[in-house]
Amino acid sequence: DAKTTQPTSMDCAEGRAANLPCNHSTISGNEYVYWYRQIHSQGPQYIIHGLKNNETNEMASLIITEDRKSSTLILPHATLRDTAVYYCIVRVTTGFQKLVFGTGTRLLVSP
Amino acid sequence: SQTIHQWPATLVQPVGSPLSLECTVEGTSNPNLYWYRQAAGRGLQLLFYSVGIGQISSEVPQNLSASRPQDRQFILSSKKLLLSDSGFYLCAWSAKQTATNEKLFFGSGTQLSVL
Repeated sequence: DAKTTQPTSMDCAEGRAANLPCNHSTISGNEYVYWYRQIHSQGPQYIIHGLKNNETNEMASLIITEDRKSSTLILPHATLRDTAVYYCIVRVTTGFQKLVFGTGTRLLVSP
Repeated sequence: SQTIHQWPATLVQPVGSPLSLECTVEGTSNPNLYWYRQAAGRGLQLLFYSVGIGQISSEVPQNLSASRPQDRQFILSSKKLLLSDSGFYLCAWSAKQTATNEKLFFGSGTQLSVL
């Protein structure tokens, strides 16, 4: 899997958009970008994934640059419950492949 | 719908004692199964994964072992616990599919303290 680089921590005010960056400069053409988050003392939860087009679901939006070397996860209206560690992972999705987590970004949403 | 059960939620064990953590998945068949560990303040470390009954792959040489006696059952074991085995243990599963939306689903975890 290609390596990813994320800031260690970020802060966001409640109600504002949280933009979490991820660098994956060595990503291959057949590798997808996945985002998971882990709320304290719980298992990680899948958020969203994409290949090269921007994606949106009920939880977040994923913006991938044209060269695919970086991406941004956007939580449009952060709430206190969005406080968590966010993991950016790149991986191929052809057959079995184990998912390797980095240390992620710790997002703190404050009132 | 699919669910994953992991128990116990917390466990305090003395050094040198055995360990057995169990994980079961419902609502799916032939899943890929995983054991992860998270030390305090650290990221998730993949310990074992299994693509089928009796098929175990180890990622990190250590004091632990895993077994998959049934299709939807994954067990993490140790004969003698070490202090360094303390951590948050997570079981996860994913469906076997070639589509582009393979996702991992995690259990609620077991907080293990070895004293």
